[in-house]
Amino acid sequence: AQKVTQAQTEISVVEKEDVTLDCVYETRDTTYYLFWYKQPPSGELVFLIRRNSFDEQNEISGRYSWNFQKSTSSFNFTITASQVVDSAVYFCALKVNNAGNMLTFGGGTRLMVKP
Amino acid sequence: SAVISQKPSRDICQRGTSLTIQCQVDSQVTMMFWYRQQPGQSLTLIATANQGSEATYESGFVIDKFPISRPNLTFSTLTVSNMSPEDSSIYLCSVLHRGAAYNEQFFGPGTRLTVL
Repeated sequence: AQKVTQAQTEISVVEKEDVTLDCVYETRDTTYYLFWYKQPPSGELVFLIRRNSFDEQNEISGRYSWNFQKSTSSFNFTITASQVVDSAVYFCALKVNNAGNMLTFGGGTRLMVKP
Repeated sequence: SAVISQKPSRDICQRGTSLTIQCQVDSQVTMMFWYRQQPGQSLTLIATANQGSEATYESGFVIDKFPISRPNLTFSTLTVSNMSPEDSSIYLCSVLHRGAAYNEQFFGPGTRLTVL
């Protein structure tokens, strides 16, 4: 069975601080995909990134960066110079080839960025 | 990415009634899914909506409670039947977009349901 753990339920930072959201996953499959989604207060789920298990290269997109480490089964997400608009719930999710197309979500991390 | 719309965006319903939620995509998609997000919780897959055949339900979800239709490649409905307050959740439609990189999955804006 698959499992995704986001140990941080809530994080509060002051604007311009850097913040890292942790994600640890469990799966016995060797082929899998990891995702991050953002859910602002309006409720929609915004796709941020997808990573497959064969690509451990870290990625940077503007103020966002992702650190994928298979050795520790982690896929952490860092926001640099946080802004108030970053306030949202962030979900990490896992999809494995042998589980159809089901996304297994972590519990989410609520990020509050204060001005 | 696909543009996904849901109707209604929110509703308040009485116990014992049923609500049908619509999901419309602006392009043909390979697969459509329905997820539930209970208050303060993460997302759970209800079922995969199969075009032209019965939906595939996950453990804990049954067709009598959550009947699903998918008459074509761009549209699906989810009905929440005989509602109780425990059904109060956000219901989200999700799609795998035809032509997208494998396993990119997008979500609609969600339907916020409150059952009194």
